[in-house]
Amino acid sequence: EAGVVQSPRYKIIEKKQPVAFWCNPISGHNTLYWYRQNLGQGPELLIRYENEEAVDDSQLPKDRFSAERLKGVDSTLKIQPAELGDSAVYLCASSTQGFYNEQFFGPGTRLTVL
Amino acid sequence: TQLLEQSPQFLSIQEGENLTVYCNSSSVFSSLQWYRQEPGEGPVLLVTVVTGGEVKKLKRLTFQFGDARKDSSLHITAAQPGDTGLYLCAGAPPPGYKYIFGTGTRLKVLA
Repeated sequence: EAGVVQSPRYKIIEKKQPVAFWCNPISGHNTLYWYRQNLGQGPELLIRYENEEAVDDSQLPKDRFSAERLKGVDSTLKIQPAELGDSAVYLCASSTQGFYNEQFFGPGTRLTVL
Repeated sequence: TQLLEQSPQFLSIQEGENLTVYCNSSSVFSSLQWYRQEPGEGPVLLVTVVTGGEVKKLKRLTFQFGDARKDSSLHITAAQPGDTGLYLCAGAPPPGYKYIFGTGTRLKVLA
């Protein structure tokens, strides 16, 4: 069974540029999460989807971050414009429906903003 | 405010030694999960503890949930280089709080 797929694995951009990350969850997993992980720290939840509905986006900086999960499968996280402080690893995870059931994580996208 | 504090932050030991990692909070958690994360990869779930006082074993790893469900520990017996990684505890505290990860313990086991 394929795991959570994320792309790209690495992204280097200049500040003020836009960037997008893509996630394909495990087949059959209705719940999808986006996390941000700063160097040496634990992941921080940005947004959680149940199917195509964002049920928890309170931690998402809405002035520059946006996310979508069309058709309740793949998801895209966008930053526009990027700032230096956005440099981090962006992790996607998925689980079966339910409050924080076992989450399976993708390898992440390492973003560097210059 | 960080609700899950882990200690130690860093740990470097020789192969064969034992070690314990702690995860502490002032809040009660209905359950806690432990993950291990290797460089360039996402965290991988090791165990979920649910009941106060619960002890779970996974080969050389022993996980314990505190009686008051405010803390947890991970003990590794006879550590091996393959145990190297970032160990994270995580959970969802009382209603109204978000699922959070601890501050992490970075373990390095030297051959």
